[in-house]
Amino acid sequence: GAVVSQHPSWVICKSGTSVKIECRSLDFQATTMFWYRQFPKQSLMLMATSNEGSKATYEQGVEKDKFLINHASLTLSTLTVTSAHPEDSSFYICSARVQGLGYEQYFGPGTRLTVT
Amino acid sequence: GEDVEQSLFLSVREGDSSVINCTYTDSSSTYLYWYKQEPGAGLQLLTYIFSNMDMKQDQRLTVLLNKKDKHLSLRIADTQTGDSAIYFCAERNTGGFKTIFGAGTRLFVKA
Repeated sequence: GAVVSQHPSWVICKSGTSVKIECRSLDFQATTMFWYRQFPKQSLMLMATSNEGSKATYEQGVEKDKFLINHASLTLSTLTVTSAHPEDSSFYICSARVQGLGYEQYFGPGTRLTVT
Repeated sequence: GEDVEQSLFLSVREGDSSVINCTYTDSSSTYLYWYKQEPGAGLQLLTYIFSNMDMKQDQRLTVLLNKKDKHLSLRIADTQTGDSAIYFCAERNTGGFKTIFGAGTRLFVKA
């Protein structure tokens, strides 16, 4: 149980275009989802936290208008990288916390974004 | 603020035990976690321990917690090549909304 999926698993896009990444909790309802960014050989950097039906809370230094997060339902959150630039190339990982089932966070497999 | 620190690299021979260490600063940490990340993949929760525990064992994994020194360790017995991965230590307190991760320890297992 407690599986989190991400789509796509990898994407290559041209500079200036927008890319949407989906995060789904497959067998549970996630009241809270987290979006992380991971640079090579580095730890996870929390970008934002989203609760279903409300606006995401962004970490300091993360541009809200560039990284649009929508948590439309208890099983789906999306991250849209708008007007992507090469420096946005990274590994994006989502995570979901299950209310009432303990204190663990379950992670998706990640999406590798390459902006050319 | 909260901080979690780990050594960045550990190399062991297959069959030996691996010990990955972690220190944290938040004295109110309630939950401490170990995650495993294989290349190109997300994080897999390996185990977690509550702050009122000293030790937790799960098959080949043993977690030791020294709350006084804010030190957490993960011991992997009979390490296999499949254990090669990055291991992240993480902590969260009861009132905390965020989980704080260490930088990760890259474990390399030599056959």
